[in-house]
Amino acid sequence: KAGVTQTPRYLIKTRGQQVTLSCSPISGHRSVSWYQQTPGQGLQFLFEYFSETQRNKGNFPGRFSGRQFSNSRSEMNVSTLELGDSALYLCASSLWGGEGEKLFFGSGTQLSVL
Amino acid sequence: GQQLNQSPQSMFIQEGEDVSMNCTSSSIFNTWLWYKQDPGEGPVLLIALYKAGELTSNGRLTAQFGITRKDSFLNISASIPSDVGIYFCAGQSAGTYKYIFGTGTRLKVLA
Repeated sequence: KAGVTQTPRYLIKTRGQQVTLSCSPISGHRSVSWYQQTPGQGLQFLFEYFSETQRNKGNFPGRFSGRQFSNSRSEMNVSTLELGDSALYLCASSLWGGEGEKLFFGSGTQLSVL
Repeated sequence: GQQLNQSPQSMFIQEGEDVSMNCTSSSIFNTWLWYKQDPGEGPVLLIALYKAGELTSNGRLTAQFGITRKDSFLNISASIPSDVGIYFCAGQSAGTYKYIFGTGTRLKVLA
């Protein structure tokens, strides 16, 4: 079974631009969540989607948005990029098993804002 | 942002030694997950814990869900060079649909 796939792997943008990142979850997984990872702040929760509905959102400005499609694939968008948005953006998909939930991550998109 | 207290922050150990690390939270969690992350890659799930007091193993790795539900522990026995990396804990409170991650433990193994 294929893992979580994130594209693109690397991205370089300039301040003020916008960016869209894509995530394909593991087949059968309906929940997709996004995390931002930086050396200073560690892994921070952005948002989580299930069946095209956002169920929770982290403490990020409105410039960060996401959506989920009917096939569970998800995208996140960052508008008006700032230097501080440079980070590894990680997508995770999850499935509830017999006992509880397991969260599986993709390799991430490394975003550099110049 | 929110992060769990994870200790130690980093450690150098000799190959063959055992390693212990832990995470503590001010909140009660119903799920604890442990991950290993290599540079430039996403975290890889090692162990999942769902019940207070639960002890689960995955090869040389053993993790425990603290009985207070506010902490978790990971042990690595007989470490090998490929254990090098950053280990993260992650906890989730019931119904929140989000995980809070630990600050990470950077492990370096000396051959």
